[in-house]
Amino acid sequence: EAGVAQSPRYKIIEKRQSVAFWCNPISGHATLYWYQQILGQGPKLLIQFQNNGVVDDSQLPKDRFSAERLKGVDSTLKIQPAKLEDSAVYLCASSLLGTGGNEQFFGPGTRLTVL
Amino acid sequence: AQSVAQPEDQVNVAEGNPLTVKCTYSVSGNPYLFWYVQYPNRGLQFLLKYITGDNLVKGSYGFEAEFNKSQTSFHLKKPSALVSDSALYFCAVRVPGGSYIPTFGRGTSLIVHP
Repeated sequence: EAGVAQSPRYKIIEKRQSVAFWCNPISGHATLYWYQQILGQGPKLLIQFQNNGVVDDSQLPKDRFSAERLKGVDSTLKIQPAKLEDSAVYLCASSLLGTGGNEQFFGPGTRLTVL
Repeated sequence: AQSVAQPEDQVNVAEGNPLTVKCTYSVSGNPYLFWYVQYPNRGLQFLLKYITGDNLVKGSYGFEAEFNKSQTSFHLKKPSALVSDSALYFCAVRVPGGSYIPTFGRGTSLIVHP
């Protein structure tokens, strides 16, 4: 079974520039998550989708971050404009539809450096 | 609000010795608890989970964890550590109902010495 795919793996940008990350979840997984993992910390949930609807985006900085999941499959996360503090690894994960008891499958992540 | 604490940034253990990685949680209601492992330059991998039932759960690679409701803990254990177990371990909690947002601890680095 193919895992969660993410691209790019690495990205370096200047502050105030824009960047986008792409995620393709495991086939059949209705729930998709985007996390931000700052060095030395655990993953922090940014947004959770169920099919193409948003379940929770309470921790997404909506003034600069946006995410979409068209057709309930692939997803993109965008940062516009980027700040220095956005430097982190952005993880995408997916899981089967459920009430929270299903484990998540993570992609390899995108390491973003903002200069 | 729910939270997870991993009180040790690093755990050192000799190969062949038992290991314990600690996790405590704070939630309103009954939790779903998870352990994930992260190897260098790789994504997180699921190890095991507690949903309901037997307090002792067994997972991948010989790991197990015990749910203790009175102590609000979910410590990860393995009877005999391997050098290849060296990695970053994360505990996570979710509360069923609502949006069941996953909350992760800050991680514990496990170093197994030959």
